[in-house]
Amino acid sequence: GQNIDQPTEMTATEGAIVQINCTYQTSGFNGLFWYQQHAGEAPTFLSYNVLDGLEEKGRFSSFLSRSKGYSYLLLKELQMKDSASYLCAVRDSNYQLIWGAGTKLIIKP
Amino acid sequence: NAGVTQTPKFRILKIGQSMTLQCTQDMNHNYMYWYRQDPGMGLKLIYYSVGAGITDKGEVPNGYNVSRSTTEDFPLRLELAAPSQTSVYFCASSLRETGELFFGEGSRLTVL
Repeated sequence: GQNIDQPTEMTATEGAIVQINCTYQTSGFNGLFWYQQHAGEAPTFLSYNVLDGLEEKGRFSSFLSRSKGYSYLLLKELQMKDSASYLCAVRDSNYQLIWGAGTKLIIKP
Repeated sequence: NAGVTQTPKFRILKIGQSMTLQCTQDMNHNYMYWYRQDPGMGLKLIYYSVGAGITDKGEVPNGYNVSRSTTEDFPLRLELAAPSQTSVYFCASSLRETGELFFGEGSRLTVL
């Protein structure tokens, strides 16, 4: 079967760095996405990785290792507004997105 | 640019009632999707469409129907509503080539 695992909840301090991990087992691989979802709102796109390595976009970076079926999202200089759920999703061989359950990130002052 | 617009935002249904959730996108995207999201859970795909006139079942299609008569519109029909259909529904669209999904604001449905 297809499976995406990410931690249910993480807590971090304002101004710090946090790494949210995602491991996956899917039928084929055509890219990995990270989305941010604030409570009561729709998910919004953060990043896309299809090749191994690190993609940096401002305070957010995303890393992919296809051989290990592993990705992480790195958030630097955490702000209170970063409190949200972070969803990992993998596009499989049929170009369908398989979603993880999301990681709820709590930022404390 | 409105993006993806879905209505209504909130609805309460009685068991056995039917309703249609509307979804329209103005980005000329060929792919459209309907997801449901239960509290603390990830997104579950109900139905999707790769273009006008073409629809296919996702992971949890039972109790729902869709149609795609135009590129812009992708309504979701709930027949004989059941409490298990209480959820937040998201419509989304994408271009196959990029895969980035653009979501509507969501429709919160409660079946009592």
